[in-house]
Amino acid sequence: KNQVEQSPQSLIILEGKNCTLQCNYTVSPFSNLRWYKQDTGRGPVSLTIMTFSENTKSNGRYTATLDADTKQSSLHITASQLSDSASYICVVSAIKAAGNKLTFGGGTRVLVKP
Amino acid sequence: EAQVTQNPRYLITVTGKKLTVTCSQNMNHEYMSWYRQDPGLGLRQIYYSMNVEVTDKGDVPEGYKVSRKEKRNFPLILESPSPNQTSLYFCASSLSGQGANSPLHFGNGTRLTVT
Repeated sequence: KNQVEQSPQSLIILEGKNCTLQCNYTVSPFSNLRWYKQDTGRGPVSLTIMTFSENTKSNGRYTATLDADTKQSSLHITASQLSDSASYICVVSAIKAAGNKLTFGGGTRVLVKP
Repeated sequence: EAQVTQNPRYLITVTGKKLTVTCSQNMNHEYMSWYRQDPGLGLRQIYYSMNVEVTDKGDVPEGYKVSRKEKRNFPLILESPSPNQTSLYFCASSLSGQGANSPLHFGNGTRLTVT
């Protein structure tokens, strides 16, 4: 069964500090992996999309890594800001005959404190 | 502005009273889908549409209907809502199929309460 597990479930960090979120998946055959940011009460917004051949992708202070061999990804937030307080969702796409299938992780809730 | 628009944002209804949540996108996207988000369960796909007149079930389709008569609109219909359909609903669209390397664009959600 395709699964996406994220850790930790939640974390609190001080403004200006860095943090790393983890995503482990068992989805196959793999197509791509996405990270989304979801502010409270809003829809998720895409941060990065990585295919099998990409190890690292950045979007401003957000850097995602992918290890397709171990089926792990991480999202690193550099110099956190109060606006980074949100849930971060890892989504993995599997190749299917009738159109690919997305599997969503449960998300990591990040709270940045001043 | 490129966006996915859902209406209404909040909806309170009673068991059995049919309702429709509308979704419209202005980006000429082929792919559209509906999700529900519940605490501890994350986002789960209800239905999706690869193009006009093409729809298919997601992971949790029971109790829902959809239609895709035009490219821009993808309404979610609850013929006989029940309390277990109380949830936060999101519509999303993307340029091509859900496996391609195009991101999903989400609406701002509809919070539905069924009493």
